[in-house]
Amino acid sequence: EAGVAQSPRYKIIEKRQSVAFWCNPISGHATLYWYQQILGQGPKLLIQFQNNGVVDDSQLPKDRFSAERLKGVDSTLKIQPAKLEDSAVYLCASSGGDTQYFGPGTRLTVL
Amino acid sequence: AQSVSQHNHHVILSEAASLELGCNYSYGGTVNLFWYVQYPGQHLQLLLKYFSGDPLVKGIKGFEAEFIKSKFSFNLRKPSVQWSDTAEYFCAVTPFSGGYNKLIFGAGTRLAVHP
Repeated sequence: EAGVAQSPRYKIIEKRQSVAFWCNPISGHATLYWYQQILGQGPKLLIQFQNNGVVDDSQLPKDRFSAERLKGVDSTLKIQPAKLEDSAVYLCASSGGDTQYFGPGTRLTVL
Repeated sequence: AQSVSQHNHHVILSEAASLELGCNYSYGGTVNLFWYVQYPGQHLQLLLKYFSGDPLVKGIKGFEAEFIKSKFSFNLRKPSVQWSDTAEYFCAVTPFSGGYNKLIFGAGTRLAVHP
């Protein structure tokens, strides 16, 4: 089966610019996650969707980050405006049960 | 707060050496436990998982892990490593709360295996 797809793979922007990431989960997976992985750290959950509803966004910096999952399939994560400390890999994962499957990630560099 | 600690950030071994990577978590209730691996240039992949039953879990590529509830530990082991095991290894925990499987990751252990 096809895995979790993410795009773009790499993005370089200047601070205060905006950026968006896209994720297509494994077909049939109801749960979708966005994680932020800063260099030298493990992934940290930003937001979790169950179908098209948010079930956990407690660690999402809502003043600058937003995410949506229209129609309960694809999802986009947006940062506006970006800060230097947002430089990280943004991982998307999906799950149809107890195990999460990860995409390749988008490496964001904010200059 | 719930957290996961991985004791070693970097491990260097020679081929055929034995491997043990430590993982401890802080959560008093029921948990699901995972080890994920990230090979160079690849995405995170599931290595093994423990939900219940036999606390010694076998995963892919000869890896195993032992859940010791009294020590809140889930250490990863492999009796004889290969050069191809060079990767970063992440321990992760899903605490049972509200029915949603939120993963909490450790900081990772970077393993380098020399031929």
